[in-house]
Amino acid sequence: GAGVSQTPSNKVTEKGKYVELRCDPISGHTALYWYRQSLGQGPEFLIYFQGTGAADDSGLPNDRFFAVRPEGSVSTLKIQRTERGDSAVYLCASSSWGQGTNTGELFFGEGSRLTVL
Amino acid sequence: DQQVKQNSPSLSVQEGRISILNCDYTNSMFDYFLWYKKYPAEGPTFLISISSIKDKNEDGRFTVFLNKSAKHLSLHIVPSQPGDSAVYFCAASDGNRDDKIIFGKGTRLHILP
Repeated sequence: GAGVSQTPSNKVTEKGKYVELRCDPISGHTALYWYRQSLGQGPEFLIYFQGTGAADDSGLPNDRFFAVRPEGSVSTLKIQRTERGDSAVYLCASSSWGQGTNTGELFFGEGSRLTVL
Repeated sequence: DQQVKQNSPSLSVQEGRISILNCDYTNSMFDYFLWYKKYPAEGPTFLISISSIKDKNEDGRFTVFLNKSAKHLSLHIVPSQPGDSAVYFCAASDGNRDDKIIFGKGTRLHILP
């Protein structure tokens, strides 16, 4: 597709369950970012990939959160033993930053809204 | 510890007037600044950016001003239009470290008819 695609758009789960959120970036973008946005807050940085490797994962809140990008394209954010505080919109963005451009423009998907009951 | 601060949660401006959104930052290593706009149920979209080597960047109705000594930037929208009603996020990065982009909490702009 032309833009960043995130699935599912909505996910309701029970406390303690495992969740996977998927991001399909814009074709050719090597940089991929995950952010989390809670109500009334700005996007909170979680992790950033350049290619297949995590260039910066300093925003992952704890070891229940993990993200992979095995082929340098699609990425999956994995959350184990979900807690009610994990409820938020999880935003994925991709960028061509680092490929000779420097606009810093991130192209965001519409987000995956996670609700943990 | 908020490195990018938008101290006004909301702002109302008459249509046709100038909207000024403010942003302060604490990390003196930030060298690239961006503004994003967000409508409900959509992801943020890029508006305009500025490098720390400049103090002004203009794109149509949107102008960003950077005051490095004050660690302050502002977004000016003139004239304001109804479609400008949205949440505006200020963001910054330290390009010498990596390409992580840090966002502020946002300012909700209401354009009044």
